[in-house]
Amino acid sequence: GAGVSQSPSNKVTEKGKDVELRCDPISGHTALYWYRQSLGQGLEFLIYFQGNSAPDKSGLPSDRFSAERTGGSVSTLTIQRTQQEDSAVYLCASRPRTSGGEQFFGPGTRLTVL
Amino acid sequence: SQQGEEDPQALSIQEGENATMNCSYKTSINNLQWYRQNSGRGLVHLILIRSNEREKHSGRLRVTLDTSKKSSSLLITASRAADTASYFCATDASGNNRLAFGKGNQVVVIP
Repeated sequence: GAGVSQSPSNKVTEKGKDVELRCDPISGHTALYWYRQSLGQGLEFLIYFQGNSAPDKSGLPSDRFSAERTGGSVSTLTIQRTQQEDSAVYLCASRPRTSGGEQFFGPGTRLTVL
Repeated sequence: SQQGEEDPQALSIQEGENATMNCSYKTSINNLQWYRQNSGRGLVHLILIRSNEREKHSGRLRVTLDTSKKSSSLLITASRAADTASYFCATDASGNNRLAFGKGNQVVVIP
């Protein structure tokens, strides 16, 4: 497709389970971002990938969160031992190298931890 | 930490009226961007203004930036029902590649 895609669109899990969220960026975009949006915290930056550089993980809230980007394209955000406070919408965005700064967002994955 | 902070507003206006939203931030920026979000899902980029620009237009959108006051405003002219959404400002801080979002403004345009 032409835009950023994310899967699943909704995920319900039980506390303590691990979840994986997937992001397919726009083809050719070198930068990829993960954000999360919750009622209490608003939109928060989580992690940023740029090409082959080491990712900027400074926004990850705990060591239960990790992300990888394989082959400079698809990214997976993994949350281990989920907690109820992890419930949020997880948004992925990508940006081409030539962009002035605009990011292109996917539709998000709504995660609910019971 | 979030930089952008919109005035906490929920605007309800009649179709055809103008809607104005404000945003303030705390540190130096490369640019400031405005995004729209419908139904709590993906964000759509609306407009970007660089730190050396003071005003920018795009269609019915007008954005201003005052770096001395670290503030920005977004004006939507001649609003339409389809403009009903949440609007977020986001700052791209100097030397940083991530966006710091404000809390958003909910705008409802009544037909």
